[in-house]
Amino acid sequence: GESVGLHLPTLSVQEGDNSIINCAYSNSASDYFIWYKQESGKGPQFIIDIRSNMDKRQGQRVTVLLNKTVKHLSLQIAATQPGDSAVYFCADYTGGGNKLTFGTGTQLKVEL
Amino acid sequence: GAGVSQSPSNKVTEKGKDVELRCDPISGHTALYWYRQSLGQGLEFLIYFQGNSAPDKSGLPSDRFSAERTGGSVSTLTIQRTQQEDSAVYLCASSFQRGASEQYFGPGTRLTVT
Repeated sequence: GESVGLHLPTLSVQEGDNSIINCAYSNSASDYFIWYKQESGKGPQFIIDIRSNMDKRQGQRVTVLLNKTVKHLSLQIAATQPGDSAVYFCADYTGGGNKLTFGTGTQLKVEL
Repeated sequence: GAGVSQSPSNKVTEKGKDVELRCDPISGHTALYWYRQSLGQGLEFLIYFQGNSAPDKSGLPSDRFSAERTGGSVSTLTIQRTQQEDSAVYLCASSFQRGASEQYFGPGTRLTVT
């Protein structure tokens, strides 16, 4: 069945270092992917998205990489800051469907 | 402009009672979604509304759950005869169009069933 999962439940990084959060998806028909950031007590906040006809997309301090061969998605955060501490979710969408399927999330902790 | 709003922010109810959760989507957004998030878990899809089309109810966990969207705007999620396993954060999201587009989330309603 369709599933989206994350490799690591918790990631700790030093302030200023780069962070890499990984995600695996199972549905080869998925054609749209989103990364969300969720701070404690808040709803998920959009970070960046990528469509399946791309393998890389960059935003402000963030880069998403998509490897369709191995069905893997990653989020790279450059120069990680304390404000980046949150839970990060990947989600995928399959054309014709009505919903995003979310992974269980990775807790990113930034150590000073 | 205003984002997605939800009310109440917190709700404590006794087992067996009915609850109603409200969502006000972003003006102009035709798609509206309800999700449930249990402690430390990802988001579980519940129901989806798109314009005047019949809603996609495929994620509702039981017939105790129902939702409606009046006038293509405000939505209400109703849980009848609440059970302790219904305790979770209920999140609403809206998007400008169906499917592959960014969903904007509200802050959620934390439901606790005692």
